[in-house]
Amino acid sequence: EIVLTQSPGTLSLSPGERATLSCRASQDISSRFLAWYQQKPGQAPRLLIFGASNRATGIPDRFSGSGSGTDFTLTIGRLDPEDFAVYYCQHYDSSRWTCGQGTKVEIK
Amino acid sequence: QITLRESGPALVKPTQTLTLTCTFSGFSLTTRGVSVGWIRQPPGKALEWLGIVYWDDDERYSPSLRNRLTITKDTSKNEVVLIMTNMDPVDTATYYCAHRPNLDTYAFDVWGQGRVVTVSS
Repeated sequence: EIVLTQSPGTLSLSPGERATLSCRASQDISSRFLAWYQQKPGQAPRLLIFGASNRATGIPDRFSGSGSGTDFTLTIGRLDPEDFAVYYCQHYDSSRWTCGQGTKVEIK
Repeated sequence: QITLRESGPALVKPTQTLTLTCTFSGFSLTTRGVSVGWIRQPPGKALEWLGIVYWDDDERYSPSLRNRLTITKDTSKNEVVLIMTNMDPVDTATYYCAHRPNLDTYAFDVWGQGRVVTVSS
């Protein structure tokens, strides 16, 4: 089973700053199978990125995804106040999905 | 516009069976490649994928929960049903259903609002 490890656990930043979130897989994975979600308190997750680097419909271009192999990154170019939330990476493998434990982006 | 909504009991007792219904609109579960998944989230914890049902009636489940789960669909009602047996307090979570648009997209693009389920005697 592939395990996804997200770091850091919490990221404290100010609005306007750049956020870099990491998702590391326990073994090589296809970038096609890697997605990122945003979740705000009391809300359902929202798909941001699929296929490691493809923005979902309606997602602002300050969100970008990159990576390959075992290391993947979600970058938020300039943090907007509405971007403070928890972010999850998710992977598909052998007809099932697994998620990382999440990174919380909080206001510094 | 695609929407999904979960419904079902908010409270179940240990050992009971949970039945949740996902009612959707804006797509058909008879369209090739479309599927609906179930994901849960215990309070303060990460997302856990439970299972998925495909347009062609194929079903896949989390290996750790396979023996407790059944997911069925009723295309005439635009519903997907999750059945989880032998509920335990550790199953307390928010349960989400979500839409997967096609076989080339390995992600869930639209989610329901979630149903909070508490397991307690």
